[in-house]
Amino acid sequence: DVVVTQSPDSLAVSLGERATINCKSSQSLFYNSNNKNYLAWFQHKPGQPPKLLLYYSSTRESGVPDRFSGSGSGTDFTLTISSLQAEDVAVYYCQQYYYTPRTFGQGTRVEIK
Amino acid sequence: QVQLVQSGAEVKQPGASVKVSCRASGYTFTDYYMHWVRQAPGQGLEWMGWINPKNGGTYYPQKFQGRITMTRDTSITTVYLELSRLESDDTALYYCAKEADFYQNWGQGTLVTVAS
Repeated sequence: DVVVTQSPDSLAVSLGERATINCKSSQSLFYNSNNKNYLAWFQHKPGQPPKLLLYYSSTRESGVPDRFSGSGSGTDFTLTISSLQAEDVAVYYCQQYYYTPRTFGQGTRVEIK
Repeated sequence: QVQLVQSGAEVKQPGASVKVSCRASGYTFTDYYMHWVRQAPGQGLEWMGWINPKNGGTYYPQKFQGRITMTRDTSITTVYLELSRLESDDTALYYCAKEADFYQNWGQGTLVTVAS
């Protein structure tokens, strides 16, 4: 199975500052036929289902604020929150959807410093 | 708009089975695979497999093979997850998620508690 590893496990950032989460896959998620990376990012808050933020590593889902951005290709990816807001406190997961079984990173908890 | 509505919370004894439903609306049911994901207390998200609503085909990861069954009823646009021989480690929130490569839509979650 493809292993997806996030870092760090938790992160405390001041309001308005940048938060960066890394995601590394044990195998490449780049599909040559369409030049896309099959990696998604989710935000998960207690009592709610996970919310899709980004797909194909950098495409923002409709309605997601532009302070959320994704980058990377192949095996190394990054989620950046450019200016942390109070409502961004959550656990963030990356997930690869290139291979079956699908696999998630272990999650990164983002808090306010 | 797409909606996935799951059945209510369940409490089961160890060794029992549970069946969770996910009713879909707002799109063509047979056009998209449905996946199941769970989250145990204090743990991360765990993928449990998928079902193809068009033909009932399924895929389960090895961890669950032998005690997991996903089915569907196209007449009521509903998919089901059944997990047997429940253990305390199966206590979790269970989610269905509609696949369009990635998961744009999720059910609200069903809490399954396994306790004696």
